[in-house]
Amino acid sequence: QQPVQSPQAVILREGEDAVINCSSSKALYSVHWYRQKHGEAPVFLMILLKGGEQKGHDKISASFNEKKQQSSLYLTASQLSYSGTYFCGAYSGAGSYQLTFGKGTKLSVIP
Amino acid sequence: EAQVTQNPRYLITVTGKKLTVTCSQNMNHEYMSWYRQDPGLGLRQIYYSMNVEVTDKGDVPEGYKVSRKEKRNFPLILESPSPNQTSLYFCASSPGPGPYGYTFGSGTRLTVV
Repeated sequence: QQPVQSPQAVILREGEDAVINCSSSKALYSVHWYRQKHGEAPVFLMILLKGGEQKGHDKISASFNEKKQQSSLYLTASQLSYSGTYFCGAYSGAGSYQLTFGKGTKLSVIP
Repeated sequence: EAQVTQNPRYLITVTGKKLTVTCSQNMNHEYMSWYRQDPGLGLRQIYYSMNVEVTDKGDVPEGYKVSRKEKRNFPLILESPSPNQTSLYFCASSPGPGPYGYTFGSGTRLTVV
């Protein structure tokens, strides 16, 4: 079952912040985050492992709450280059070797 | 340069004509996978492979076949394509499942008429 992402779409002005949420109905071993620009392949941003860690990548960071089976991606002081569709991928481990992606969140940053 | 190479980038074919989309990686990755991407549905996994000769179904395997005879190659085979297989296909690889990020190929846009 695909993880659920929210919101489906968001429009920001440059410099504004955004949060994208990802929740799963299954227990999670890890959560991946990817960004896909129009007409391109998805690009790996970061991975969060079981343990509730928070990670950062420039002004993009993420958290993982394994008890709630949720992850959030935080985009701070957004730039035009942040525009694209963001996907979370859920890996449940426990003998499953599938990475299941959410339907994506389209982020548009305007000047 | 570390990469996943898919061919062709674009393909238009007719219903029922067998086709193969090739995927090759030069990173010595154990794990490879195929996804299809459709508007509003995100990326859905078709098949994946843990290693040579080890493959397993993803969420949408119907109508597709794969093989993993060599570590670097993971072709996707459509033996009798149908219009509902019109989609954007991505191959991805990683050192293993779980704690590693995936590297995606550039994609293959397939149209079945």
